[in-house]
Amino acid sequence: GQQVMQIPQYQHVQEGEDFTTYCNSSTTLSNIQWYKQRPGGHPVFLIQLVKSGEVKKQKRLTFQFGEAKKNSSLHITATQTTDVGTYFCAGPVTEAGNNRKLIWGLGTSLAVNP
Amino acid sequence: GAVVSQHPSRVICKSGTSVKIECRSLDFQATTMFWYRQFPKQSLMLMATSNEGSKATYEQGVEKDKFLINHASLTLSTLTVTSAHPEDSSFYICSARVDRGSTIREQYFGPGTRLTVT
Repeated sequence: GQQVMQIPQYQHVQEGEDFTTYCNSSTTLSNIQWYKQRPGGHPVFLIQLVKSGEVKKQKRLTFQFGEAKKNSSLHITATQTTDVGTYFCAGPVTEAGNNRKLIWGLGTSLAVNP
Repeated sequence: GAVVSQHPSRVICKSGTSVKIECRSLDFQATTMFWYRQFPKQSLMLMATSNEGSKATYEQGVEKDKFLINHASLTLSTLTVTSAHPEDSSFYICSARVDRGSTIREQYFGPGTRLTVT
C-alpha cells in the first residue's frame, strides 16, 4: 500500500543551527500537509502544499514540494527552543468507497540545545 | 483557526469497564472525523474514519466491536472503548476535517485523551 517515509527520525541541534526533515511518498500525492506536535500536545496543522515545485515560507520555516509531487521537505533556519517538537508530513489517499484519509510519516523529533 | 475539543483529557479506569471519549468541532461542521491512537514517541495510528450519519470505516486490525464509534451530528463524534484492558492504555486523539470539493483538506486535532487502564 501507499507509504510515506520521513527522515531523520530524530535530530538534535544547537540553538541557531538549521534543521531539515525530508518526506518521501511511494506514490504521487495530490497535496502534502505538515503538522507539528509539541511534547505532550496534539498535532497542529502548519501548511499544505499542492502544486508541483511549490515553495512556501512561514517566517523561519520553508516548505518545498517536489516536482514529481512525491517528496517534500521542511527547513527551519536558525532554530530556536520554541521549535522543539515532532514534525509530521502527511499525504492524502482515497480508498474504495471514497474513504479519504491521510497517510502519515513517522515524524522527525527535533531537540534544540539552548 | 478551527477548534476541536475532546473530553475527557485524562481517564483512569479499571480493567473490564468501558470508557467513552467525546470529540466536538466547536466552530465548524465537520463532515469527517478521525480517531487516532498514539504511543509514546511514535507516529499517529489511524483507527477509524467517522462520517456523519454513516458507519465508521475501521482500519485493518482495529476491532470495531471493541472501539465503537458514533458520529451522530456534524459536530460530535464519540469513541467508546469497551471492556478496556491495560493494553488499551494509550493517547487517543480525534481530528475533524471539512472537505470542499475533491481536495482533501487539513485536519484539526483535539487535545487528546490519555487513557490508563489499571
